[in-house]
Amino acid sequence: GAGVSQTPSNKVTEKGKYVELRCDPISGHTALYWYRQSLGQGPEFLIYFQGTGAADDSGLPNDRFFAVRPEGSVSTLKIQRTERGDSAVYLCASSRIGRAGELFFGEGSRLTVL
Amino acid sequence: ELKVEQNPLFLSMQEGKNYTIYCNYSTTSDRLYWYRQDPGKSLESLFVLLSNGAVKQEGRLMASLDTKARLSTLHITAAVHDLSATYFCAVDMSLDSNYQLIWGAGTKLIIKP
Repeated sequence: GAGVSQTPSNKVTEKGKYVELRCDPISGHTALYWYRQSLGQGPEFLIYFQGTGAADDSGLPNDRFFAVRPEGSVSTLKIQRTERGDSAVYLCASSRIGRAGELFFGEGSRLTVL
Repeated sequence: ELKVEQNPLFLSMQEGKNYTIYCNYSTTSDRLYWYRQDPGKSLESLFVLLSNGAVKQEGRLMASLDTKARLSTLHITAAVHDLSATYFCAVDMSLDSNYQLIWGAGTKLIIKP
């Protein structure tokens, strides 16, 4: 596609439920990133993929968060046993090269945990 | 602690005026990025600054980087209403081949007609 596509755009769930957020990067971009943005703040790094492998997952807040990119294109961010504090906009970005490359962001998935 | 600080965090100004947004960071880096975000929208890349002394301009916006001072500026010339948005700077703090940006809190810019 023309840009980074994220689904769903909005997700409301109850505390304790499992959530999956999907990111379809720009075709040909090998690097993919997940960020989390809370209201009034800058994005917070979660995880970075180069191809199929997670090159840096140091930003994942705890073991309830997991992300995959099995074929080196689409990525899924998975959150288990959601908590109210997980509520945020989850942003996905892709770039052509892993470093010093311009990031292209999707419009985000807004997660609300009740 | 790695920090990226923007100031001001909020700026209301009249059309036609000039102003500068500042981005300070706490550790050595030679890669800095400026992004724009409209309400409810994604982040749009404005400038990529990759070396000391880099200066880039696009329309009424100009960005510069001083790696020795650990400072970047985003200058707005003769502001127009369409530039109203939140502007973020982000610094590449990665020490190896991995890629990790640390973001400022953003500067919310409101330009009044």
